[in-house]
Amino acid sequence: NAGVMQNPRHLVRRRGQEARLRCSPMKGHSHVYWYRQLPEEGLKFMVYLQKENIIDESGMPKERFSAEFPKEGPSILRIQQVVRGDSAAYFCASSPQAGLEKLFFGSGTQLSVL
Amino acid sequence: DQQVKQNSPSLSVQEGRISILNCDYTNSMFDYFLWYKKYPAEGPTFLISISSIKDKNEDGRFTVFLNKSAKHLSLHIVPSQPGDSAVYFCAASANQGAQKLVFGQGTRLTINP
Repeated sequence: NAGVMQNPRHLVRRRGQEARLRCSPMKGHSHVYWYRQLPEEGLKFMVYLQKENIIDESGMPKERFSAEFPKEGPSILRIQQVVRGDSAAYFCASSPQAGLEKLFFGSGTQLSVL
Repeated sequence: DQQVKQNSPSLSVQEGRISILNCDYTNSMFDYFLWYKKYPAEGPTFLISISSIKDKNEDGRFTVFLNKSAKHLSLHIVPSQPGDSAVYFCAASANQGAQKLVFGQGTRLTINP
């Protein structure tokens, strides 16, 4: 029973490139959440998705960031034209239904922008 | 606008003693609180939670206390073990669920043998 799988674990991009972060939720989970952790800070909510729907994107920056959770395949967090300030750890979490008391987090993707 | 604050970046405790981690919040709409534990290069793992209708919840060596009037919660670990060394995050939610958690900055706990 695999947990939440995120890949890649580490991603290095140059300024202006695109970053794609993938998240496969736990089996049977249809709710996916993305959080970002900047150095020396706590995790900050970015977006909450269900299959083919964005439920809450109030934590997403207005530009360059997008997320999807298609009917088939993993959830993707996409960052266009990355800047140094995008360097952070990006964590995905999943739950089997809304309102569950706890989320199951993946190990994260560490994005480094040169 | 830090709605959840963990004012101690680090804490060092002797093995076998009690570890007390503190967390303060400002948003009176928060009604559900959780503690997560995080090891390096891993994602956070759930430890224990408490609803605002309670003031205490216990699970083995872990107990969470909630003081709503002070907008303060604490996590007690007793007895502390070397494997408890990790970063601990306090988190809060405003909808009795977990869709949108607001995290504190974390406290790095070190248990000394």
